Amino acid sequence: DADVTQTPRNRITKTGKRIMLECSQTKGHDRMYWYRQDPGLGLRLIYYSFDVKDINKGEISDGYSVSRQAQAKFSLSLESAIPNQTALYFCATSAAQGEGDTQYFGPGTRLTVL
Amino acid sequence: KQEVTQIPAALSVPEGENLVLNCSFTDSAIYNLQWFRQDPGKGLTSLLLIQSSQREQTSGRLNASLDKSSGRSTLYIAASQPGDSATYLCAVWSASNYQLIWGAGTKLIIKP
Repeated sequence: DADVTQTPRNRITKTGKRIMLECSQTKGHDRMYWYRQDPGLGLRLIYYSFDVKDINKGEISDGYSVSRQAQAKFSLSLESAIPNQTALYFCATSAAQGEGDTQYFGPGTRLTVL
Repeated sequence: KQEVTQIPAALSVPEGENLVLNCSFTDSAIYNLQWFRQDPGKGLTSLLLIQSSQREQTSGRLNASLDKSSGRSTLYIAASQPGDSATYLCAVWSASNYQLIWGAGTKLIIKP
């Protein structure tokens, strides 16, 4: 079984809808991350969490919110989806190994907002 | 603001060739540099991590170098195989804002 799973894998929604992307991990890591990837661009950090009580904004948090329900679960919500949020979304985890951890990624969720 | 650039954006070579992928970054204040491989539908896989104090790392047919002072890294792939076809991403851990900053990737195609 995969160490980092994401659901759904694909989602098509309409403008204005609220949607949630879920991430679960079995690696026992404290740190979790949400990124988005757009064609021709590198991954950009949306939110990250270093433990259950810690939530931090990344580079592009506007229009998104997150919830860290447990060490193993980190959800990303789009409160009112818009077309420019169409992208590939990745969840990642890492162990707290000091500065600059190796990150482990889920398979991604392809989101299309019409 | 840290920026990471990867050149070329795409590369196609015959099987068996040795090849080099390039990554450059604008701010030398980094903890490490990481190379990842991205396969469609499978997420990203970490290939090599070079700490800021190191010059290179090797794993099998892969060798990554780091020149922090010039803001450059290369990923060398020896004896390329069709299975090496993927997008290769470079990322640096910024010491300024403690985040991974990513390049846009190089899409590599190895022709049988």
